[in-house]
Amino acid sequence: KAGVTQTPRYLIKTRGQQVTLSCSPISGHRSVSWYQQTPGQGLQFLFEYFSETQRNKGNFPGRFSGRQFSNSRSEMNVSTLELGDSALYLCASSLYTDTQYFGPGTRLTVL
Amino acid sequence: AQKITQTQPGMFVQEKEAVTLDCTYDTSDQSYGLFWYKQPSSGEMIFLIYQGSYDEQNATEGRYSLNFQKARKSANLVISASQLGDSAMYFCAMREGADSNYQLIWGAGTKLIIKP
Repeated sequence: KAGVTQTPRYLIKTRGQQVTLSCSPISGHRSVSWYQQTPGQGLQFLFEYFSETQRNKGNFPGRFSGRQFSNSRSEMNVSTLELGDSALYLCASSLYTDTQYFGPGTRLTVL
Repeated sequence: AQKITQTQPGMFVQEKEAVTLDCTYDTSDQSYGLFWYKQPSSGEMIFLIYQGSYDEQNATEGRYSLNFQKARKSANLVISASQLGDSAMYFCAMREGADSNYQLIWGAGTKLIIKP
């Protein structure tokens, strides 16, 4: 089975721009979660989707949003980028509530 | 208060030795799950092992075992016969409460370096 894939792997944006990251879960997995990892804050939960519905949301501003499609693929959008949004964004998929399997991440740099 | 505490920011271990990575957690829930992940320098988070709060036996996956001491709220990862490829960041994570909670709470991680 193919693992979780994330595109793009690397992104460079400037302040004020917006960005969309994509995540394709393991085949058959319907839950997709997103995490932000920074040296200062560590790993923080952004949100989780199941069957196109957001079930949980972390403590991030409204500039961070996401969605899930009927094929379970998920996208995450960050609008009005700030320097502090530079991070590794990790996507994870799971069957339901069990172990989360992660993709390789998207490394976002905001200049 | 920190929900997940990993007290060892970094560790050096000789190849082939066993290593224990510490993790303590804080929760008032009766039902929770504890996870260990490995993150090599490439960035991908690799699942290693899982322990449920109601599991009576310590989890084991190949060279990895979890030393679960519920009363002490401790879930240490033990790697037997360490290898050079074990050099990476290791994260302990917890999922609290009911199955409706899908959020993982993470520790700060331990950087493990295996010396040849």
